[in-house]
Amino acid sequence: EIVLTQSPVTLSLSPGERATLSCRASQSVSTFLAWYQQKPGQAPRLLIYHASNRAPGIPARFSGSGSETDFSLTISSLEPEDFAVYYCQQRSNWPFTFGPGTKVDIK
Amino acid sequence: QVVLQESGPGLVKPSETLSLTCTVSGASVTSGYNYWTWIRQPPGKGLEWIGYIFDSGSTKYNPSLESRVTISHDTPNNRFSLNLRSVTPADTAVYYCAREAWYSSTWRGFDPWGQGTLVTVSS
Repeated sequence: EIVLTQSPVTLSLSPGERATLSCRASQSVSTFLAWYQQKPGQAPRLLIYHASNRAPGIPARFSGSGSETDFSLTISSLEPEDFAVYYCQQRSNWPFTFGPGTKVDIK
Repeated sequence: QVVLQESGPGLVKPSETLSLTCTVSGASVTSGYNYWTWIRQPPGKGLEWIGYIFDSGSTKYNPSLESRVTISHDTPNNRFSLNLRSVTPADTAVYYCAREAWYSSTWRGFDPWGQGTLVTVSS
C-alpha cells in the first residue's frame, strides 16, 4: 500500500498570504495524484487532478506541482473561504489512498 | 451536471450488514468510462477508499475490507450500492459515494461526491 505523508499537519496563516502544502508518497505514483479541499460538515471537493491540472471551476490561485514521490499544492493568496483541510490522494496503485490531511487555519 | 445522493439507515447493529445506495443523476452507472466509488471517513479522521464498480460491472475493493464488502449496480434505477457485512463500531463513519471519471484517457479524480451519510454502528 502506498502511504502518503502530508506536511505540515497545521498551517496557520493570514488572509492574503501564500500557502504551500506538501504531499510525499512512499513510492512513485507518477502524476496520479489529486488534491481535495474539505470544510466542516461538507464532502471533499476536487481541486487538482493528475498533479497539476485544476478541476473545472477552481480558482487560479490554486496550483499543483510535482511528480513521482514529491508534490505540492500552492494557494497564491489565501481567501477567507480557503481555510479548510486539504487531502492528497493517489490512484497509481490499489488500494487508492489518501494522505492524513493538512489543516489551514487562520492565524 | 452529475449529482450523487447517498441513502440508507443511519444506525446499524454490530454483526449486521450496512447497506447504502447512491442514486446518480446526469450520468449512467453502466456507461461513460466511470468508476463508481465508495469512500468513508470516521468522525474526526481521514478518508478511506472502500472500492469501486466500473461501468462494465467489474469491481475492486480495499484489501482491508474485501472479505466483508460488495458493491453492485442497480441498473434500472441508475444506482449503485454498498453492502458491508459483520460491522463493528469501528465501521462508524460518514460514507460518501463519488464518481472517478476518465475523459479522453485522462484520469480526472473523484468528482463529484455525494453529500455523505453518517452510519453509526451501535446496539
